[in-house]
Amino acid sequence: DVKVTQSSRYLVKRTGEKVFLECVQDMDHENMFWYRQDPGLGLRLIYFSYDVKMKEKGDIPEGYSVSREKKERFSLILESASTNQTSMYLCASSLSETYEQYFGPGTRLTVT
Amino acid sequence: AQKITQTQPGMFVQEKEAVTLDCTYDTSDQSYGLFWYKQPSSGEMIFLIYQGSYDEQNATEGRYSLNFQKARKSANLVISASQLGDSAMYFCAMRERYTGNQFYFGTGTSLTVIP
Repeated sequence: DVKVTQSSRYLVKRTGEKVFLECVQDMDHENMFWYRQDPGLGLRLIYFSYDVKMKEKGDIPEGYSVSREKKERFSLILESASTNQTSMYLCASSLSETYEQYFGPGTRLTVT
Repeated sequence: AQKITQTQPGMFVQEKEAVTLDCTYDTSDQSYGLFWYKQPSSGEMIFLIYQGSYDEQNATEGRYSLNFQKARKSANLVISASQLGDSAMYFCAMRERYTGNQFYFGTGTSLTVIP
């Protein structure tokens, strides 16, 4: 079974803090993704990576950055957290463009 | 323009009945994949079914089938013999082969199965 894990299920941070969300997959997938999910808006892509050290902006990259130093790990960074970044963050990985994505359990981030 | 449109924010179905969740998509690519995911209240996203744009037959996976109408650009999910455990959010998604590795998701449909 493919396993995608995220470092935290719930996280509470203060405005202005730097926040790291970690995602690890164990199936040697090339592609990894970070989404945020908000009620009524579905899943919106923040960044994705198709290889180590490669990254592409998604639909809403502002206020976020990413890092992929190893194939199995994809990190999402909030440089200076703001209250409008309170959301559910989902990480996913996939083998190629024709295969489904496998999702992690999600991190519910609250910024106060 | 929205790549994936799900027009039903909420649906109700009687237990053991069939239900269709609508999805239309927008692409100019000839090669693409369509996916349906289920998200229970626990929050995990569960892959249900996949349809490739060149697949001539509708995809089926157990009680799930995908009613693929290419000319109409629709990819509706049909759940047969609904069960209480089917109550969840359902998301339709698309991946275009030649315009990057990005997935596009709809806004979801909340399905409630009534006993």
